[in-house]
Amino acid sequence: SAVISQKPSRDICQRGTSLTIQCQVDSQVTMMFWYRQQPGQSLTLIATANQGSEATYESGFVIDKFPISRPNLTFSTLTVSNMSPEDSSIYLCSVGQGVYYGYTFGSGTRLTVV
Amino acid sequence: AQKVTQAQTEISVVEKEDVTLDCVYETRDTTYYLFWYKQPPSGELVFLIRRNSFDEQNEISGRYSWNFQKSTSSFNFTITASQVVDSAVYFCALSVKGANSKLTFGKGITLSVRP
Repeated sequence: SAVISQKPSRDICQRGTSLTIQCQVDSQVTMMFWYRQQPGQSLTLIATANQGSEATYESGFVIDKFPISRPNLTFSTLTVSNMSPEDSSIYLCSVGQGVYYGYTFGSGTRLTVV
Repeated sequence: AQKVTQAQTEISVVEKEDVTLDCVYETRDTTYYLFWYKQPPSGELVFLIRRNSFDEQNEISGRYSWNFQKSTSSFNFTITASQVVDSAVYFCALSVKGANSKLTFGKGITLSVRP
């Protein structure tokens, strides 16, 4: 199955600033997914990123707050913009690899906004 | 819309006890995929098992076993002879279009195994 390198693994940021999270996959994948996991909560999908088209955002998430880039089939970034303490979460990227392998997740980015 | 319910929020057992984690799902699709993931304190998600809707065979992998029952829309996970290293949050998840669609997660079950 694919291996995902996600960076940074953790960061502490000042409110009002932005952080860009990167995910690099060791093979070409069609779809990449970005999830948020707030403290003590489950994972919630932010958006689906398809190479060559605009990301599709879930209800409650907007592009101005969470812009996503997908320049090629192995790389994607998620930016958390104008951060507030409520953005403190773990952010995870994921790729789908067909019905046999299912989904692979990056190791996550623990974001703390102060 | 899809929904995954993990009614148990926290379970605490003593080492070597057996423990079953419940998962109930809802979907109108006839083809779907169910997953279990483990999230240890370090935060990464560890894939445990995938099951598709047309394969109701139960599965055993070492101390882990899964019971899939379409009649009750359940996909339960049993750990036999639990160990301290099993302490983690366990998520059940559902996808209806395979790997090119999102996963819908349950709220997770925090399992604590005491020595």
